[in-house]
Amino acid sequence: DSGVTQTPKHLITATGQRVTLRCSPRSGDLSVYWYQQSLDQGLQFLIQYYNGEERAKGNILERFSAQQFPDLHSELNLSSLELGDSALYFCASSVPSGANVLTFGAGSRLTVL
Amino acid sequence: AQKVTQAQTEISVVEKEDVTLDCVYETRDTTYYLFWYKQPPSGELVFLIRRNSFDEQNEISGRYSWNFQKSTSSFNFTITASQVVDSAVYFCALRHTGNQFYFGTGTSLTVIP
Repeated sequence: DSGVTQTPKHLITATGQRVTLRCSPRSGDLSVYWYQQSLDQGLQFLIQYYNGEERAKGNILERFSAQQFPDLHSELNLSSLELGDSALYFCASSVPSGANVLTFGAGSRLTVL
Repeated sequence: AQKVTQAQTEISVVEKEDVTLDCVYETRDTTYYLFWYKQPPSGELVFLIRRNSFDEQNEISGRYSWNFQKSTSSFNFTITASQVVDSAVYFCALRHTGNQFYFGTGTSLTVIP
């Protein structure tokens, strides 16, 4: 158990729908990162939050949004879903120090039918 | 610009062979950190090693070893006497002081019994 909790583990939904993925970071970690991994693809950075504020943005679609709450958990909202959004979505957390490691959750597998 | 290149997309070896996974990075920062992560078929991402830019000592951990060479901007990973359980996708990553992580596209390693 990495200490980073992601829910749900699996999600199947239809095109056009909206889903929310949830992430609880490891205790003490202030930063949360979201990554998308499509089939046979590498890790695409979506967005990073630090202590409730957006810190960096990657290749995140306008249909996607995220936030980090005061208790440091984060949610990734995916709307108007398309078939191509089917992927494994990872959350990772770290403490705010250059040497620190990204600790990943087990991922949320989204299937859009 | 920060960039991580893993030129080997897929590698297959027979069990007990040694295998080296290549990682080449680009950065203008003098302080940075390099990482290797393993993603077994189960999907989770597991941290293997972290190296900072001031420490060029090679590291050995059991059957795993890492060769960091600043002169060639490389951080290669060698598995000695490979085992079937080593079959996974391996990602190299770079983190600089800006707190961003840059992942390579991964190398899929298959160890054939």
